[in-house]
Amino acid sequence: EVQLVQSGAEVKKPGESLKISCKGSGYSFTSYWIGWVRQMPGKGLEWMGIIYPGDSDTRYSPSFQGQVTISADKSISTAYLQWSSLKASDTAMYYCVRELGYCSGGSCYDAFDIWGQGTMVTVSS
Amino acid sequence: SSELTQDPAVSVALGQTVRITCQGDSLRSYYASWYQQKPGQAPVLVIYGKNNRPSGIPDRFSGSSSGNTASLTITGAQAEDEADYYCNSRDSSGNRNWVFGGGTKLTVL
Repeated sequence: EVQLVQSGAEVKKPGESLKISCKGSGYSFTSYWIGWVRQMPGKGLEWMGIIYPGDSDTRYSPSFQGQVTISADKSISTAYLQWSSLKASDTAMYYCVRELGYCSGGSCYDAFDIWGQGTMVTVSS
Repeated sequence: SSELTQDPAVSVALGQTVRITCQGDSLRSYYASWYQQKPGQAPVLVIYGKNNRPSGIPDRFSGSSSGNTASLTITGAQAEDEADYYCNSRDSSGNRNWVFGGGTKLTVL
């Protein structure tokens, strides 16, 4: 079964650092981009950035550039999202996603086909 | 960067057909994909590409696109289809960025 399994919920204080994880299984982890999506309480989905575990090529949404760091360790099929100094406004659910992106027969197929279960991050003093 | 616009809320009578739309410049270059999110759950992909359904998604879900507008149609809506629906697509900047619509809350009456 193809799946992404995320690390558990976190409760942190402002200013603390944090690294959450997303482990892929059931497919070739180095062959698909892995992205991160934020959902603040009661709000919509926001794309944060994406990494290609095969060579660690990483792209960030302009809204999140400099605010978080995305990395991956292909030897253990795991992607990471980290903060060096958390803020209360980082309180949200974070999902990792597998990017389905290929072209065939003149059409391209782009989507996030596999989602992790989500990691809730709560930042409060 | 691109933006995708969705109606915040839509309602449909049980068994009727409903269309949820998504507008944005990036849709002139890229197909939208659609996600269903029920309370307390992770989103699930329901439509991608021109009109493709992942395994396990009922065939009452279909997608279409014209110009800068993509649509998700549910033909014969069921009570279990009540959920939030999000569209997304690649950003037209071409830098492998993505963008999401604001989401549409579907109520099945």
